[in-house]
Amino acid sequence: QKEVEQNSGPLSVPEGAIASLNCTYSDRGSQSFFWYRQYSGKSPELIMFIYSNGDKEDGRFTAQLNKASQYVSLLIRDSQPSDSATYLCAVPIFGNEKLTFGTGTRLTIIP
Amino acid sequence: DVKVTQSSRYLVKRTGEKVFLECVQDMDHENMFWYRQDPGLGLRLIYFSYDVKMKEKGDIPEGYSVSREKKERFSLILESASTNQTSMYLCASSLFGSEQYFGPGTRLTVT
Repeated sequence: QKEVEQNSGPLSVPEGAIASLNCTYSDRGSQSFFWYRQYSGKSPELIMFIYSNGDKEDGRFTAQLNKASQYVSLLIRDSQPSDSATYLCAVPIFGNEKLTFGTGTRLTIIP
Repeated sequence: DVKVTQSSRYLVKRTGEKVFLECVQDMDHENMFWYRQDPGLGLRLIYFSYDVKMKEKGDIPEGYSVSREKKERFSLILESASTNQTSMYLCASSLFGSEQYFGPGTRLTVT
């Protein structure tokens, strides 16, 4: 089992709809979880982080964490064409400073 | 705002050349990282440094070395560039236990 898994997509969502991105992780001891957005040809940009079970909202973005089931998701409400990008989930593994990244989910918002 | 800069956006080198990639951060972060990113393989950690003169191998250190003589600067060295080192190289930095911030990336082509 990979340490961090994401569906590679592509995931196509109509403009204005909710995009739902999922990530599962293997280390039950992980305490923090990060979502990065990466536009084609650009570097990853941090958009959300979450430490506690439940939901965390920031504008149109909501991160959801379920430690018992070992998954973290990112919801994007009112999806815009500018949200079209690859979304990377990242988790510190084995309690150290390094992050393990998923391979990313490519999201396309269809106007 | 955290700022991570990399010495070049695009670089073309010949097989066998010694290549230096430099990364500078201005936020007094303890941790610095070098990744490479290839289609289908995601982000892979090459080396990590948690303090000046300290380094730790990542998942794919073969063919690379690093140097951290000052806290703000982390260099990646390709001792003898090969075509299979053609890739996007990304530098990142972080405080202990916190999210990583990425530089703009260097697209290296080895011919």
